[in-house]
Amino acid sequence: AQSVTQLDSQVPVFEEAPVELRCNYSSSVSVYLFWYVQYPNQGLQLLLKYLSGSTLVESINGFEAEFNKSQTSFHLRKPSVHISDTAEYFCAVSHSNAGGTSYGKLTFGQGTILTVHP
Amino acid sequence: NAGVTQTPKFQVLKTGQSMTLQCAQDMNHEYMSWYRQDPGMGLRLIHYSVGAGITDQGEVPNGYNVSRSTTEDFPLRLLSAAPSQTSVYFCASSYSPGHHYYGYTFGSGTRLTVV
Repeated sequence: AQSVTQLDSQVPVFEEAPVELRCNYSSSVSVYLFWYVQYPNQGLQLLLKYLSGSTLVESINGFEAEFNKSQTSFHLRKPSVHISDTAEYFCAVSHSNAGGTSYGKLTFGQGTILTVHP
Repeated sequence: NAGVTQTPKFQVLKTGQSMTLQCAQDMNHEYMSWYRQDPGMGLRLIHYSVGAGITDQGEVPNGYNVSRSTTEDFPLRLLSAAPSQTSVYFCASSYSPGHHYYGYTFGSGTRLTVV
């Protein structure tokens, strides 16, 4: 069974500081990896994804994540955060092939609340 | 396109009552799913469907029923509400079970309190 661990439940930072949100996964097969963001009182939105190819993936608002197969990690980083980045961030994993009944289903981590202070 | 629409947004139930949470999507997505979100536990899959007439259990299915008679709708039924079912419920859909290029589209959630 696949599982996802987000190592920090809360991350407070000051505006314009760098941030890293950590995510480790455990799976015995090839995986797809995702970061979703949830702003207050809203549903989740896809932030970025790793499906194949380059291990470094980027979002349109300056976040990036690197797929590290040897360390089974997919940490999310941003070099300079804004107040508007305050939200809860979820790492998620899905199997990348049709083996088994879990094909396509997303398994989420526990979430990391990022709070950006002025 | 409205995307994924969930109703109601808020609901308070008494223990033992039943109710249906509605989920509708207008994107012709094959795959639909229900998650519950609890503090510190992320989102956990309750039930999912890979097409009309086909449903299956997720990680935490007990106390919930689903059916999928049309592509557009995927209601979640609470048979006999319990305080442990107090949570925020999200419906999500995608083109197909393994189609992740655009990610899942989530509804805005239903906040359920069982007293």
